[in-house]
Amino acid sequence: GENVEQHPSTLSVQEGDSAVIKCTYSDSASNYFPWYKQELGKRPQLIIDIRSNVGEKKDQRIAVTLNKTAKHFSLHITETQPEDSAVYFCAASSPGGGNKLTFGTGTQLKVEL
Amino acid sequence: KAGVTQTPRYLIKTRGQQVTLSCSPISGHRSVSWYQQTPGQGLQFLFEYFSETQRNKGNFPGRFSGRQFSNSRSEMNVSTLELGDSALYLCASSLAGSGRGYEQYFGPGTRLTVT
Repeated sequence: GENVEQHPSTLSVQEGDSAVIKCTYSDSASNYFPWYKQELGKRPQLIIDIRSNVGEKKDQRIAVTLNKTAKHFSLHITETQPEDSAVYFCAASSPGGGNKLTFGTGTQLKVEL
Repeated sequence: KAGVTQTPRYLIKTRGQQVTLSCSPISGHRSVSWYQQTPGQGLQFLFEYFSETQRNKGNFPGRFSGRQFSNSRSEMNVSTLELGDSALYLCASSLAGSGRGYEQYFGPGTRLTVT
């Protein structure tokens, strides 16, 4: 089955700096890659996603890149703010798997003032 | 549109008991997926229901089961509870489809504690 690895497990940045979180997946047939943000005690919130026919997608300060050849995708957050502090999860979905998402282990991002 | 709702939000049960959790998806969404979240194992897929049929199942024992009703609301049941079943149970709804991923939106979860 699909396996998703996520790095780093913790990331601390200064406010205004950029943050990058990386994930790799094992199933070359995977075609949908969402990113979720989960604040303490809250539900996971979909912040951005990318499909396998696209190499990059941006939404304001957030961007995701996908390298299908290398089977990895990354989340980029620019001009980080304290409210970006949360746990971020990457996930992958394969065709034929319905809506099953396989998640990475999460990255605790801390934005320091 | 109202978001995904789950009931109850918190539950305390004793080993050996059974429990039923409920999930109401976003209006118009036909797929409901269930996930278990624990500090040690992270987010793990339990199963997905679409049009009242289980479309996919994760690697959980048969004690975990679910169903979906004609209005797309879903329930999951855990029988013979074990201490290790203590977790946050999240459901996610999606417009669904097949062959490509669709955005999934999570409910607030049910925090289950087994004593």
